[in-house]
Amino acid sequence: GAGVSQSPSNKVTEKGKDVELRCDPISGHTALYWYRQRLGQGLEFLIYFQGNSAPDKSGLPSDRFSAERTGESVSTLTIQRTQQEDSAVYLCASSLEPYNEQFFGPGTRLTVL
Amino acid sequence: QKEVEQNSGPLSVPEGAIASLNCTYSDRVSQSFFWYRQYSGKSPELIMSIYSNGDKEDGRFTAQLNKASQYVSLLIRDSQPSDSATYLCAVLHQAGTALIFGKGTTLSVSS
Repeated sequence: GAGVSQSPSNKVTEKGKDVELRCDPISGHTALYWYRQRLGQGLEFLIYFQGNSAPDKSGLPSDRFSAERTGESVSTLTIQRTQQEDSAVYLCASSLEPYNEQFFGPGTRLTVL
Repeated sequence: QKEVEQNSGPLSVPEGAIASLNCTYSDRVSQSFFWYRQYSGKSPELIMSIYSNGDKEDGRFTAQLNKASQYVSLLIRDSQPSDSATYLCAVLHQAGTALIFGKGTTLSVSS
């Protein structure tokens, strides 16, 4: 796998349910980022991982959002008690090191009914 | 508040023309600048990065950076209909590692 992969590609859920979104970064990339893009809007930063620590969580919109990363591989973004305003495309990106070029995965489109 | 501003467009150019996309940013200490292309319904694709003042060319694309004016641009020569997309300017600030994105400029190339 040459690029960043994300799953699922689409997720439809009911308001109040919890969801988990997964990201597999490019092999060897130490830095991993989550962004959100609402329909017709720009990309918003959510959280950054260096290895399995998260030095910057400043973009998480509320305590319903959390994320973790296992070593320098898979990351999971969890949204608890989903709300309709959480509907968006959630994008994961990785870079070889912090401050380097970031490469994006295909995204997960989340729809909260 | 760190901001990145782009004209939303649409910018319409005929096939074969030069498309010029512009971006300004607010934080003077910004160090790294990127252009991404985003097709409708797809994720952003990195097309250019630039770190120093001046021009950087890659095929039909030229990125230009002027840190004194806090301005970065992207020129697309010999525009093709396949270049029709939204172009996102992104800035990496010294204080952090997250990219700050503009809202993008929509480019339409007519054949």
